[in-house]
Amino acid sequence: DAGVIQSPRHEVTEMGQEVTLRCKPISGHNSLFWYRQTMMRGLELLIYFNNNVPIDDSGMPEDRFSAKMPNASFSTLKIQPSEPRDSAVYFCASSSVGITDTQYFGPGTRLTVL
Amino acid sequence: KQEVTQIPAALSVPEGENLVLNCSFTDSAIYNLQWFRQDPGKGLTSLLLIQSSQREQTSGRLNASLDKSSGRSTLYIAASQPGDSATYLCAVLNNNNDMRFGAGTRLTVKP
Repeated sequence: DAGVIQSPRHEVTEMGQEVTLRCKPISGHNSLFWYRQTMMRGLELLIYFNNNVPIDDSGMPEDRFSAKMPNASFSTLKIQPSEPRDSAVYFCASSSVGITDTQYFGPGTRLTVL
Repeated sequence: KQEVTQIPAALSVPEGENLVLNCSFTDSAIYNLQWFRQDPGKGLTSLLLIQSSQREQTSGRLNASLDKSSGRSTLYIAASQPGDSATYLCAVLNNNNDMRFGAGTRLTVKP
């Protein structure tokens, strides 16, 4: 298996623009997680899905952030409008059976908002 | 709110040395604890997962222990190698499915 795939790997945008990050989980995994990593706050869980359904989005920082999982093989994290403080590395991870199981991380998307 | 602390923030050792990384947490009502490795510019790789009912887990040269009552976990690395150089993070999953990560320990193993 190719592992968790994220795109793009790097994104540079200007404040106010819409940003969409994409993730393809490992085939057969039922759970998908979105994380954000910054120097100041470390690694934070933003939202996770079980069987394409959002289970816990309490980590989503603001209404500017939204995540969808239209099917078992694809998820998006959207920021609209983006702000410089959203600059971070965003990771997607997947697991077989939920948050209690071992998670497999993608390589991340480094987002820079100017 | 669960707080996860890793000390030291950075550690440098000569090759071949045995070493211990520390992780402490404030709320003992945990479901499990994981140790991850993160290489520069890469995602996290899960190393060991310890359930709350377990005391330790081993994988090769790695051994992770868990003392839930005292809020501590250690990751023991035997016979360290330069390839072990990375940042090691611990993550605690609470019984309410809240997952918290420590800030990590950056390990450098010198040849």
